[in-house]
Amino acid sequence: QKEVEQNSGPLSVPEGAIASLNCTYSDRGSQSFFWYRQYSGKSPELIMFIYSNGDKEDGRFTAQLNKASQYVSLLIRDSQPSDSATYLCAVENNAGNMLTFGGGTRLMVKP
Amino acid sequence: DGGITQSPKYLFRKEGQNVTLSCEQNLNHDAMYWYRQDPGQGLRLIYYSQIVNDFQKGDIAEGYSVSREKKESFPLTVTSAQKNPTAFYLCASSYSGGSPTDTQYFGPGTRLTVL
Repeated sequence: QKEVEQNSGPLSVPEGAIASLNCTYSDRGSQSFFWYRQYSGKSPELIMFIYSNGDKEDGRFTAQLNKASQYVSLLIRDSQPSDSATYLCAVENNAGNMLTFGGGTRLMVKP
Repeated sequence: DGGITQSPKYLFRKEGQNVTLSCEQNLNHDAMYWYRQDPGQGLRLIYYSQIVNDFQKGDIAEGYSVSREKKESFPLTVTSAQKNPTAFYLCASSYSGGSPTDTQYFGPGTRLTVL
């Protein structure tokens, strides 16, 4: 069973701080990794994806991937109360036709 | 206005009833997916389809059925065999579903409650 693990949280950070969300996965053949944000009662929305080792930046968000350690993270700089949500890590299988989701980390940004 | 629509938004089912959840997309995506989400948990794959008239079971297909007669539509039937169907059901689509980094986009979801 391919697994994707996330700390369920809640992770509480003050407004303006950096929030660091982590995800580990078990399938070494995985090639692509996705971060989704889900507000309470809503559907997930894509933040960004990454498939190369290293960092990928998009605005206040940075995804980091280390395939050797089977670890992917999401950094949110200058956290805002509107960033308060559950963040889902998703790992794509080698065939590229299925995603396995982690349980999500609940982030709370306090004013 | 392109996107994925799901209906109804809320659905109530009595014990022993079959219900069908609708999912339609006008993004010209080839692949479509159904997920189930239970409170405080991640998404689990029920069924997926990469082309019309073909679909595959996901991790939790028991008690569910699907059809893919049109590219735009991928309805999910929750049968009476599904013992604990109360959950949030999410439909997603992607361009091809057969190559890395094909991003999945989600519809707004249907919340199903068994009475």
